[in-house]
Formats: sequence, structure tokens, C-alpha cells
Amino acid sequence: EVQLVESGGGLAQPGGSLRLSCAASGFTLSNYWIHWVRLAPGKGLEWVANINQGGNKKNYGDPVMGRFTISRDNAKNSVSLQMNSLRAEDTALYYCVRDFNPSHSTRYYDAFDIWGPGTMVTVSS
Amino acid sequence: AIQMTQSPSSLSASVGDRVTITCRASQDIRNDLGWYQRKPGKAPNLLIYAASSLQSGVPSRFSGSGSGTDFTLTITSLQPEDFATYYCLQDYGYPRTFGQGTRVEIK
Repeated sequence: EVQLVESGGGLAQPGGSLRLSCAASGFTLSNYWIHWVRLAPGKGLEWVANINQGGNKKNYGDPVMGRFTISRDNAKNSVSLQMNSLRAEDTALYYCVRDFNPSHSTRYYDAFDIWGPGTMVTVSS
Repeated sequence: AIQMTQSPSSLSASVGDRVTITCRASQDIRNDLGWYQRKPGKAPNLLIYAASSLQSGVPSRFSGSGSGTDFTLTITSLQPEDFATYYCLQDYGYPRTFGQGTRVEIK
């Protein structure tokens, strides 16, 4: 079965750190861009970061820039999100997402076709 | 960052109704837009990508249209399983940005 499973969530203090992991099964992770998306309680979806197949292209949302780092280990079929200097507003359910990047003519599009169940991060003292 | 504004923020509809949700971008994003459905307690589900391409396995009552700054998601005959929150997502530029969501409720 094609799936993604996140781990590493939990309770952290403001200013603390957590490292989220995303494990893939049923497909070869190295063939895909991977994104992190979060859902804060009572709010909407927010894009967090992404990483390309080789791991040399990374992009971040404005609220996490300079604090979060996305990385991948294709040999282990996994992606990680290192979260430092955590804030209360980082409290959310974090999803790891596969992007199958469909192409039409010469252009590529985002298409988030596989989502993990999410891992909850709570930042509180 | 590109701002995505969805409307309405919520709507009430009956089974069988035609439902239209709109998403407006703060700048031209060509057709670089997707639509996602999220039900409580579940991960989001891809419906549409490239503004109008139906994802495999998604019922044909869902359709997307638009380009430039104005986009529409249409559900032609609302079914009980369609009551959910819908989001648009632009993939024209970084950072990627979602609309604020449209909650579709049972009338």
C-alpha cells in the first residue's frame, strides 16, 4: 500500500525543538517532491516547506523561514522537518505530503496526491 | 506572498444542489491552482490540479475552471459525502498559499 506516516510530534516548550520524520512505503520516495503542510486548531491549511527529489532545492513558508529545516534521506525513504525556536503559533497537526508533479506540455504542477495521517505538535509551557 | 481569497467562507446546501466555490488570487497565477477537500479527522484529498484537471478516482461531479486570477470549483449534484471543507492552493510561486477554506454544510 502506498502511504506516508509521520512521527516525532509531541509537546515542546516555547523556544524548544522537535524533529518530525516522514516514512514512505509502497513507493520510491526519491522520485517525488515532498511537502509539509500544517493545520492549526480552528484554522485552515498552511503550507510549511518542500524539498525536491535530490534534496538540493528547498522552500519555506514565511512563518517558519530560518527556524525550520527540511531534509531527506532517500536511502532510508524518509523526509525530516527539524523545528527550532518553536512558538505557540506552531501548534498544529503536521502532514507529510507527496507531490506527483503532473506535467502538461512543458509545465509541471503541484498535485498533493498522498497525505500522511499527520502528527500533532503542541508548543506550550 | 500571493494571497488567495475564497468565497464564500461557508455555505449551506441540500443534497442534489449545484455548489460553486470561488478562489481569487492577488496576482496572475496562470492555471497553477489545485483544489482539496478535507473532512473532519481525515487528511485532505486532492480533487483538481492545474485548475481543471480531475484527479484520478475523483467523481466527475467535481470540476474546476478558471485562469489568471479567478477560479471556480463546481459540484454539480451535491452528495452526502461531499459535506466538507474545500481549499484552493496556488502553486505559481513561493511560498505556496492556500485559500482560507469554504465549509460546505447540510441545509
